[in-house]
Amino acid sequence: SQLAEENPWALSVHEGESVTVNCSYKTSITALQWYRQKSGEGPAQLILIRSNEREKRNGRLRATLDTSSQSSSLSITATRCEDTAVYFCATGFASALTFGSGTKVIVLP
Amino acid sequence: ETAVFQTPNYHVTQVGNEVSFNCKQTLGHDTMYWYKQDSKKLLKIMFSYNNKQLIVNETVPRRFSPQSSDKAHLNLRIKSVEPEDSAVYLCASSDDWVNYAEQFFGPGTRLTVL
Repeated sequence: SQLAEENPWALSVHEGESVTVNCSYKTSITALQWYRQKSGEGPAQLILIRSNEREKRNGRLRATLDTSSQSSSLSITATRCEDTAVYFCATGFASALTFGSGTKVIVLP
Repeated sequence: ETAVFQTPNYHVTQVGNEVSFNCKQTLGHDTMYWYKQDSKKLLKIMFSYNNKQLIVNETVPRRFSPQSSDKAHLNLRIKSVEPEDSAVYLCASSDDWVNYAEQFFGPGTRLTVL
């Protein structure tokens, strides 16, 4: 079974709206990463949040981490069509990074 | 341009054939990886390679073998492909393999086994 899992499986929003993707993980972690994969491309890191951080921001992106419930969320504000992608959370050291199954986000014009 | 490059973009072959995929990174990283991404977008690490040390994922069939000429190149060879090998193979690199280093991915090679 997956060590990390995102939900929902897929969602759609209209441009300008906000969207939140959730991640639950099964092991204790020191850090969690969020990646985005656009169609035809490899994943690209968006945010790394460490276990001693509750929130981290990067422009329109905001990640939260709750180690007590073993969960994280990634929120995107003022979405754009180019935010359409699959969003993954990932845990573990670089040599053993484990990705969740991803949430497909579609931003409609 | 510094990035991770993969060739070919696509490859179609028949069961039993041998295939080889190439990966090159110009980021100056010491560590490279191969991932397999299935049709449901599930990403699984296959190999991690740091300088001359190879870490093999125990679930990877023996017909898969990584090949590295130097720290900037990590190729993947598959002997006698099977239908379940159809997937996107993603190469990545990072400048650290033991901490939480960002991984930089190539665009992937899509393999279809007929």
